[in-house]
Amino acid sequence: EVQLVESGGGLVQPGRSLKLSCAASGFTFSDYNMAWVRQAPTKGLEWVASISYGGSNTHYGDSVKGRFTISRDNAKSTLYLQMDSLRSEDTATYYCARLGYNYFDYWGQGVMVTVSS
Amino acid sequence: DIQMTQSPASLSASLGETVTIECRASEDIYSNLAWYQQKPGNSPQLLIYDANSLADGVPSRFSGSGSGTQYSLKINSLQSEDVASYFCQQYNNYPFTFGSGTKLEIK
Repeated sequence: EVQLVESGGGLVQPGRSLKLSCAASGFTFSDYNMAWVRQAPTKGLEWVASISYGGSNTHYGDSVKGRFTISRDNAKSTLYLQMDSLRSEDTATYYCARLGYNYFDYWGQGVMVTVSS
Repeated sequence: DIQMTQSPASLSASLGETVTIECRASEDIYSNLAWYQQKPGNSPQLLIYDANSLADGVPSRFSGSGSGTQYSLKINSLQSEDVASYFCQQYNNYPFTFGSGTKLEIK
């Protein structure tokens, strides 16, 4: 059974940093591209970033480019999202998702990030 | 960026009815379209990919169709467990973009 478990969320002040993790199991992690998708409270879905199965290729949404960094450790079957220079508009539930081609075929349960002073 | 215009924003239907949700892309996305269901308090789940392919474990009352810029999700024989928000997503180009969602309720 595919499982994606996010961690690392919480309350953080504007301008500070936070690093999210996503532990994957139930599939060969190193065979799949992975992504982060976020959802602001009572809002829709926004793709944040994607990374190729080997980690060499990354893509970012315009709203996070230059501030967020997606990475992975295939030996640990773990996906990361380093979030720097956080803003109030980054407040959202962050989902880790597996990419089946370029659609999201499995999602984690999500982790809440609140940016507030 | 490709804009995804989804309609309606909300929908109320009776049990057993058939409902249709539409998604229009701002340019041709060559059937690179997925549909997701998000039940209250849960994470999204994949329903349809490549515009008309049913994801594993999804009931056959769900179907997708369309091409070019126009796509639709149809739910036959509406069940109580179908109460959810539904989102379309294009993956033809980066950045991947989602429709704004349709909230489905039972009358």
